[in-house]
Amino acid sequence: SQQGEEDPQALSIQEGENATMNCSYKTSINNLQWYRQNSGRGLVHLILIRSNEREKHSGRLRVTLDTSKKSSSLLITASRAADTASYFCATDAGTGNQFYFGTGTSLTVIP
Amino acid sequence: SQTIHQWPATLVQPVGSPLSLECTVEGTSNPNLYWYRQAAGRGLQLLFYSVGIGQISSEVPQNLSASRPQDRQFILSSKKLLLSDSGFYLCAWSMGYEKLFFGSGTQLSVL
Repeated sequence: SQQGEEDPQALSIQEGENATMNCSYKTSINNLQWYRQNSGRGLVHLILIRSNEREKHSGRLRVTLDTSKKSSSLLITASRAADTASYFCATDAGTGNQFYFGTGTSLTVIP
Repeated sequence: SQTIHQWPATLVQPVGSPLSLECTVEGTSNPNLYWYRQAAGRGLQLLFYSVGIGQISSEVPQNLSASRPQDRQFILSSKKLLLSDSGFYLCAWSMGYEKLFFGSGTQLSVL
C-alpha cells in the first residue's frame, strides 16, 4: 500500500530558484529516503534521514524530518534545468527492509 | 562495484499470455530483492520482496508471482496477463536497511 504522499503533485519553477517538496507518511519509521526519477527510468537514491535526525544536507539538497507530524521536506537550492524529474519519498514503515513510496512530485525547472 | 540488470526494456503482450521478467544483481551477495510496479504518472507499488533464496513475500494479491532461484536472480511471472497488469516494472536491491538500487525498468503493455 502507499505509505507516503508528496505535495505538491507538480511544481514548475525558474532556473536558480529553490524547490521545496513535502512528504507525509502514516506509520512509524526507522528512516525516510528521497529518490529521483527521470522519465521512463529507474529511481536514483538522493538522501536518507534516520528517525532520530531532524535535518540533513547533501550538496544542494536539504532534507528535514518531523516525526511528530509524520512529515518530511526536500529542498533543492539554486535549481538547474537538469533537476527536472519526479521526486519520491520512501519509508520503511518500521519494517527495516520493506520500502514504501509516495505518489511523487513532478518538478519542472525552466531554463 | 554492484550493478543490476533488468530486461527486457519494453514488452508488448496480449491478454492471457504468460509473463517472465528477469532481474540479476552483480557484485554483492545475499541482497534483499524487490519488484515494484508503477502505473503511468503514479507512485511505486511494492509487489514482492525477498530476503533470501526461495523466500518471497507478497504485498498485493494479484495474478503475479515471484521467484528467487538463485541468490542474485529475481523473476516476476504471470500465467495469464490481464489488461490491468500494464505498467512500468522496476526491480531493486538493497543491503539490509539502507537505500535501494533500481534497475532501468520494463515497460509492459498488455493489449
